[in-house]
Amino acid sequence: DGGITQSPKYLFRKEGQNVTLSCEQNLNHDAMYWYRQDPGQGLRLIYYSQIVNDFQKGDIAEGYSVSREKKESFPLTVTSAQKNPTAFYLCASLNLPGYGVVFFGQGTRLTVV
Amino acid sequence: GENVEQHPSTLSVQEGDSAVIKCTYSDSASNYFPWYKQELGKGPQLIIDIRSNVGEKKDQRIAVTLNKTAKHFSLHITETQPEDSAVYFCAASKEGGSEKLVFGKGTKLTVNP
Repeated sequence: DGGITQSPKYLFRKEGQNVTLSCEQNLNHDAMYWYRQDPGQGLRLIYYSQIVNDFQKGDIAEGYSVSREKKESFPLTVTSAQKNPTAFYLCASLNLPGYGVVFFGQGTRLTVV
Repeated sequence: GENVEQHPSTLSVQEGDSAVIKCTYSDSASNYFPWYKQELGKGPQLIIDIRSNVGEKKDQRIAVTLNKTAKHFSLHITETQPEDSAVYFCAASKEGGSEKLVFGKGTKLTVNP
């Protein structure tokens, strides 16, 4: 079945540590996105990529980094510079050019302990 | 940039009643307006979408209306059922452009049996 796989589902991080969230899609979609979800805040865009080896900052990129070495993979690293990393992280993808549906993964819940 | 506002933030209805969620957007160039349903602990799933060349779209118990002049769009759910209980998000984007979805903050719908 085609879709987006995020792993792990739950992740715990100690303060001061970097952690990487995985996102893999087998939909052959060109564009991939990372959103952060906090209660009452909706979904806010962290980073997005429309082509391999290229990506752009979203609205809340500070403290995060990404890479897009392969079309199907778009990992997100939450660095120690992110002051409040506890949140639900969602990866999404879209086939370009637009006019299509954005598909979401099932999310990763990151908790700082 | 685009700004999407969504109301109400919470909505409680009796089973069988109708539910209406409203969104406004700021960028007149936006031309694609999807609605997503998110169940607890899962990623959002598209339930219906509308493009700016139509004013209304219906899919069984769900309908969306769009008023381009006023820059607002609404989700209508008729004959609500307990399984409709979830968080609903509206979004806006410019298809053929940057393809970035901008989300409202969500509406938590509760359908009471």
